[in-house]
Amino acid sequence: DSGVTQTPKHLITATGQRVTLRCSPRSGDLSVYWYQQSLDQGLQFLIQYYNGEERAKGNILERFSAQQFPDLHSELNLSSLELGDSALYFCASSVGDSRMNTEAFFGQGTRLTVV
Amino acid sequence: AQKITQTQPGMFVQEKEAVTLDCTYDTSDPSYGLFWYKQPSSGEMIFLIYQGSYDQQNATEGRYSLNFQKARKSANLVISASQLGDSAMYFCAMREGGNYGQNFVFGPGTRLSVLP
Repeated sequence: DSGVTQTPKHLITATGQRVTLRCSPRSGDLSVYWYQQSLDQGLQFLIQYYNGEERAKGNILERFSAQQFPDLHSELNLSSLELGDSALYFCASSVGDSRMNTEAFFGQGTRLTVV
Repeated sequence: AQKITQTQPGMFVQEKEAVTLDCTYDTSDPSYGLFWYKQPSSGEMIFLIYQGSYDQQNATEGRYSLNFQKARKSANLVISASQLGDSAMYFCAMREGGNYGQNFVFGPGTRLSVLP
């Protein structure tokens, strides 16, 4: 158990709908990262938060948004869903301090299927 | 620009043999960390091994070792005595700089298949 909790584990929804994915980082971790992994693809970085502030942005669509709350949990909102948004969405967390040897811990992922 | 390159989309290895998975990286920062993760078919991401840019020795963790060649900017993962359970996707990743909240950048991954 990595200590990172993602809910829900599976989500099936229709095109055009909006969903919210939730992530609770490991206790004490200030950085949260969101990644999208389509079938047999690598990890596409979406967005990173550090202690409530957006720190880095990757190839995140305008239909997607995220935030990190004061209790450090994070939510990824996906709207106007398309079939191509079907993927495994990972949340990861790390301590976020200046030490280089602190790895990112991953949640189990949320499998989103858009039908 | 691609910061992490993994040139082998797929690799095959015979059980009990050693295998090397390639990873090259691009950074101008003197301080960085390199990580390898394993993703089995069940989907979870498992941290395997870490190498810091200032580490003098190659990292080792059990059957995993990292062949770190700083001048060539490569950090290849070596798995010794391959097991069937090693069949998975393997990702190389990098953190740059010593600042707070640095991002992790991942490579495209290599799919390893261990043959009985």
